[in-house]
Amino acid sequence: DAGVIQSPRHEVTEMGQEVTLRCKPISGHDYLFWYRQTMMRGLELLIYFNNNVPIDDSGMPEDRFSAKMPNASFSTLKIQPSEPRDSAVYFCASSPTPVGETQYFGPGTRLLVL
Amino acid sequence: GQQLNQSPQSMFIQEGEDVSMNCTSSSIFNTWLWYKQEPGEGPVLLIALYKAGELTSNGRLTAQFGITRKDSFLNISASIPSDVGIYFCAGQGSPGNTGKLIFGQGTTLQVKP
Repeated sequence: DAGVIQSPRHEVTEMGQEVTLRCKPISGHDYLFWYRQTMMRGLELLIYFNNNVPIDDSGMPEDRFSAKMPNASFSTLKIQPSEPRDSAVYFCASSPTPVGETQYFGPGTRLLVL
Repeated sequence: GQQLNQSPQSMFIQEGEDVSMNCTSSSIFNTWLWYKQEPGEGPVLLIALYKAGELTSNGRLTAQFGITRKDSFLNISASIPSDVGIYFCAGQGSPGNTGKLIFGQGTTLQVKP
């Protein structure tokens, strides 16, 4: 049974470029979460979806960040334009119903913005 | 915002020793979770706790949901080198907090063979 799949695993880009991170949740999981991890701030929840609908995006740092979930098996997190301070590891996690209490994490995307 | 205080921040122990770490919060939670993260990987769920006072084991790991619902601890018995990693506590389900997990800052564990 495949876990949460994220791509790419590593991304190096230059400041100002658009970055798109992708996630495939575990089949049957109705909740999907995007996190950012840095040494300074630890694990931060950016946004989460329930049945493809964004429920809470209060953790999205600014308008440069956007997330979509067009169907139950795919989500994207986009940063446009990217800045060096966006460098971090971005994790996607999914959870079954009903409340999203036990979340299963993907391997993460390591983003470096030069 | 809500925060979890996790301690200790780091531990360096000898193989075979027991380990204890804990998390405390000013808010009550309905669920406490413990995760382990190894280098280059995402956090992996170790133990989930759903009831105040609950004591749950997973092999050499034992975790408890505090009776006040504001704390939890994780014990690792007879540590081995593969226990190395960062351990995170997470709480979920406090009033006004629907579905979101709040994570502690992590405890970095190093085990000397």
